[in-house]
Amino acid sequence: EADIYQTPRYLVIGTGKKITLECSQTMGHDKMYWYQQDPGMELHLIHYSYGVNSTEKGDLSSESTVSRIRTEHFPLTLESARPSHTSQYLCASSIQTSGEETQYFGPGTRLLVL
Amino acid sequence: GQNIDQPTEMTATEGAIVQINCTYQTSGFNGLFWYQQHAGEAPTFLSYNVLDGLEEKGRFSSFLSRSKGYSYLLLKELQMKDSASYLCAVRDGDRGSTLGRLYFGRGTQLTVWP
Repeated sequence: EADIYQTPRYLVIGTGKKITLECSQTMGHDKMYWYQQDPGMELHLIHYSYGVNSTEKGDLSSESTVSRIRTEHFPLTLESARPSHTSQYLCASSIQTSGEETQYFGPGTRLLVL
Repeated sequence: GQNIDQPTEMTATEGAIVQINCTYQTSGFNGLFWYQQHAGEAPTFLSYNVLDGLEEKGRFSSFLSRSKGYSYLLLKELQMKDSASYLCAVRDGDRGSTLGRLYFGRGTQLTVWP
């Protein structure tokens, strides 16, 4: 069973606030990912990391930042929240074994920006 | 660009068999994944194909044809709990590479009726 955690699970915040969404995994996975998903829509990759001190931009990265100082921790920061950021944010981690790599997802953070 | 297509909705009855198709056009290919996502929850891994052919896992099977850019997920002996969204995802990059990201389709919402 995957051990990947996200906090908070739900967040309501006002426009212009800075917020950090936390993601931690205890599986020692090197790779971690942040996705944004609106209801009934596909997952969009925001940022990803292949290991400590490695971060890459995805498709929706321009309004957020990430850091990977420790293997187990991959926080996502929105410097100035806007109503368009209202969505579900999913964190995932993965490790490659025998050529197969599977991403395990956390429970998600539902964000509402007023 | 990357393009992954799957039907938006499907319905079936308990005990039946349903096939969910996925076609893809990506710049690279390093594996195709199927995930199940219940409403309000995170995706969970179902299957992985990197070589042509059928992979069977209990009631679920997944098929891949790389030359046709085509996969399907076959669900047998449907149960009510199988009502969920089924996501097709393709990993780009070179075969065997440890790099590469997932591109997700919008998901197929399956409703199983009694």
